[in-house]
Amino acid sequence: AAGVIQSPRHLIKEKRETATLKCYPIPRHDTVYWYQQGPGQDPQFLISFYEKMQSDKGSIPDRFSAQQFSDYHSELNMSSLELGDSALYFCASSLDRQGPTEAFFGQGTRLTVV
Amino acid sequence: DAKTTQPNSMESNEEEPVHLPCNHSTISGTDYIHWYRQLPSQGPEYVIHGLTSNVNNRMASLAIAEDRKSSTLILHRATLRDAAVYYCILRAYNFNKFYFGSGTKLNVKP
Repeated sequence: AAGVIQSPRHLIKEKRETATLKCYPIPRHDTVYWYQQGPGQDPQFLISFYEKMQSDKGSIPDRFSAQQFSDYHSELNMSSLELGDSALYFCASSLDRQGPTEAFFGQGTRLTVV
Repeated sequence: DAKTTQPNSMESNEEEPVHLPCNHSTISGTDYIHWYRQLPSQGPEYVIHGLTSNVNNRMASLAIAEDRKSSTLILHRATLRDAAVYYCILRAYNFNKFYFGSGTKLNVKP
């Protein structure tokens, strides 16, 4: 079965650079979530989209933005990168039209800022 | 958002049942109880969810207290591959967001 695909799997950037992470949700899923997980920490909710419209926001820095495109893939754009942005970034998708169902997570993108 | 409380860690022997508790005393009537687990260096994985009634699936069982203020995830026969951090999460019906708490780190001994 198709899973959530994230690219790239690994990314190394320098401070003050920008990064773009991509997420391809499971076909026909209507909701996409982004999470950030720092070393030794629990996943932190950043932002979500429902049917390509921004739905909820969590602790997403102003330097970050995200969008979902007409083909349902989503991108997380991160600018003015800081060392503290080094983390695993997970994308998840679910079909929530009739209530919160199981969310499927991708394998994540490991971002290292040097 | 309603908060959940779980023990930091638990230990189990292989092939024995494991009961992972979760308290959610501020749960609202439309909150679903979800459980996820995360193995090292992997994305969280859905385990099971329920609203009011107990639920079973191929991975686990979920027992929900009558007042819904607590729940228990039951792994019927723990294997070494079940060693992970288990998260109990409340998901509101009309919100597309959910928060991970601290979770319970389950260690399974051979």
